[in-house]
Amino acid sequence: KAGVTQTPRYLIKTRGQQVTLSCSPISGHRSVSWYQQTPGQGLQFLFEYFSETQRNKGNFPGRFSGRQFSNSRSEMNVSTLELGDSALYLCASSGENEAFFGQGTRLTVV
Amino acid sequence: AQSVTQPDIHITVSEGASLELRCNYSYGATPYLFWYVQSPGQGLQLLLKYFSGDTLVQGIKGFEAEFKRSQSSFNLRKPSVHWSDAAEYFCAVDDDNNAGNMLTFGGGTRLMVKP
Repeated sequence: KAGVTQTPRYLIKTRGQQVTLSCSPISGHRSVSWYQQTPGQGLQFLFEYFSETQRNKGNFPGRFSGRQFSNSRSEMNVSTLELGDSALYLCASSGENEAFFGQGTRLTVV
Repeated sequence: AQSVTQPDIHITVSEGASLELRCNYSYGATPYLFWYVQSPGQGLQLLLKYFSGDTLVQGIKGFEAEFKRSQSSFNLRKPSVHWSDAAEYFCAVDDDNNAGNMLTFGGGTRLMVKP
């Protein structure tokens, strides 16, 4: 079966802009989690959506938001981008006590 | 709060040599533990997981890990390393209902393999 698909793979944005990243989970998985990976802070949990509801949230400012659609696809949005938001954003879909990760979206803020 | 520590940032081993990557966790209840591997520019691939039962768990690619509650450790081992094992390895603990959907990761250990 198809894995977790994240689009786009690479993105360059300017400070102050907003960005939307997309994640299509494995078919049948209803939980989608988002993580930010940076060299300085490592892998940090952003939030998790289950059946269109945010179920868990990490310690990130309100500029980071997300949503999930009825087909379990999820989007995350970052508003008013800062240079420090440059990172690899990873999405994971969970089923059977296991998280399957996508290849990530590399966001560069200039 | 839960935390995971990987004391070794970098490790270099010779091809064919044995490998042990260390992981220590801080968690109030019975931890659900994972090891993931990440190749450059890629996502994370699950190597193995521990939920309960036998404290020695087998994973993919010849990896195994041993859960030691008394030492709060979950070290990853491989008897003979291959050049293709060069990557970054992350230990993680599950923070929420043990479904693997809210993970706290260690800082990672970058493995380099000498020919």
